[in-house]
Amino acid sequence: AQSVTQPDIHITVSEGASLELRCNYSYGATPYLFWYVQSPGQGLQLLLKYFSGDTLVQGIKGFEAEFKRSQSSFNLRKPSVHWSDAAEYFCAVNNYGQNFVFGPGTRLSVLP
Amino acid sequence: DTAVSQTPKYLVTQMGNDKSIKCEQNLGHDTMYWYKQDSKKFLKIMFSYNNKELIINETVPNRFSPKSPDKAHLNLHINSLELGDSAVYFCASSPADRRNEQFFGPGTRLTVL
Repeated sequence: AQSVTQPDIHITVSEGASLELRCNYSYGATPYLFWYVQSPGQGLQLLLKYFSGDTLVQGIKGFEAEFKRSQSSFNLRKPSVHWSDAAEYFCAVNNYGQNFVFGPGTRLSVLP
Repeated sequence: DTAVSQTPKYLVTQMGNDKSIKCEQNLGHDTMYWYKQDSKKFLKIMFSYNNKELIINETVPNRFSPKSPDKAHLNLHINSLELGDSAVYFCASSPADRRNEQFFGPGTRLTVL
């Protein structure tokens, strides 16, 4: 069965610092990969997705993610975090049109 | 111009009651979904539905039932509410042939007392 792990439950960074959120998946083939952000009291917003091609994908709000097949990882990065980035971040996989499987989420706190 | 909307945003009710959560999408999508996000923020698919088939996650109790009056709506009915049903419920929609392009609603926080 597919699974998604996000090893970090909670990360705190200072505003302006760089950020990397980790995501690993378990599946026989390469699924579609996604990162979503959930701000407090809000729904899920798609940050970026990877289907195929260039393994470094750019998303909204200055985020990017890199797919590494050898590590079954899809880590999310941002070079300089803003206070408004404080939120919950979810990695998700989708098996070629089947249902989404979400990771447990990583809560990001940003220090002023 | 909200793409996927849910009502109510918050729902507080007593154990044993029956309640419904409504979902509407104006994207013209054929397939709609319900997800449950538990207290640990873990999101799990409950149902996916289009006009041809309903796919139910086998772990969902039969007290939960989706009802679709038309293609743009998928409501979630819950009978005999239990404490463990407290969660945030998200509706989503996608084109039938692109299930990986799901748009999510804002969520409904259900609290069962």
